Amino acid sequence: GESVGLHLPTLSVQEGDNSIINCAYSNSASDYFIWYKQESGKGPQFIIDIRSNMDKRQGQRVTVLLNKTVKHLSLQIAATQPGDSAVYFCAENPTTSGTYKYIFGTGTRLKVLA
Amino acid sequence: DADVTQTPRNRITKTGKRIMLECSQTKGHDRMYWYRQDPGLGLRLIYYSFDVKDINKGEISDGYSVSRQAQAKFSLSLESAIPNQTALYFCATSGTVQETQYFGPGTRLLVL
Repeated sequence: GESVGLHLPTLSVQEGDNSIINCAYSNSASDYFIWYKQESGKGPQFIIDIRSNMDKRQGQRVTVLLNKTVKHLSLQIAATQPGDSAVYFCAENPTTSGTYKYIFGTGTRLKVLA
Repeated sequence: DADVTQTPRNRITKTGKRIMLECSQTKGHDRMYWYRQDPGLGLRLIYYSFDVKDINKGEISDGYSVSRQAQAKFSLSLESAIPNQTALYFCATSGTVQETQYFGPGTRLLVL
C-alpha cells in the first residue's frame, strides 16, 4: 500500500456531509496559498488557491477560507463523496523569499464513510 | 495524455548504484522542480530550474544532481544511492514563480 501518509491526522466524514480540513501556515509573509489533493499512488492535484488579498474563494463544491490574523487556512468540501477520499495538504508561498519557496504542510487524510 | 510524466514509476536499486529519474512536461512551462515525499513530512524541495540555463539547489540537495536538457525535460540523478533516499519523488512545473505547481505522478524509489 501507499507509504505516504501513514502517520497523518485523519478526518472521517459520512458521505453527503460537509468536510472541513484545516491548515496552520507558518510564515506571516506568505501571500499565496494552494490546497492539493493526493490520492493513493498519484501525484498532488491542484484543488483551489487563494491570494492574501482575499478571505474566501469558492470553487466547485470547495471553498477556501483564509484568516491572516491567526495564520489559518481551511478547505471546505460540500456534500462529500467517496471520490473525495485522499490526503489533502496546503502549500504557502512567501514572496519575500526572493525567487521561490513553497512550504508544504504534511496533510490530513480524509476518509469518506458510506 | 498527462501534462507531466515521470519515468520510471517504480524503481528498486542497491546501495551505491547510480540512478536517474526523468521528468517531461507538455505544459510549456519554464519552471521545473524536483521534490521528495517521506511519511509524516511535507514535500521537500531538492532542486529547481527556472529555465534551461538555470539550476538551483533546494533545501535537501546533498546526494542529488539534476540536468535540464530542454525546456520540457528535467532529470534527477542519485550519484550513489543510499537507503535513506528511499522515498517518493515528484517532479512539478509552474508557469511563473507564484503560480500553481503541477505535479507528475511520482516515482517510488526503494534503495536496498
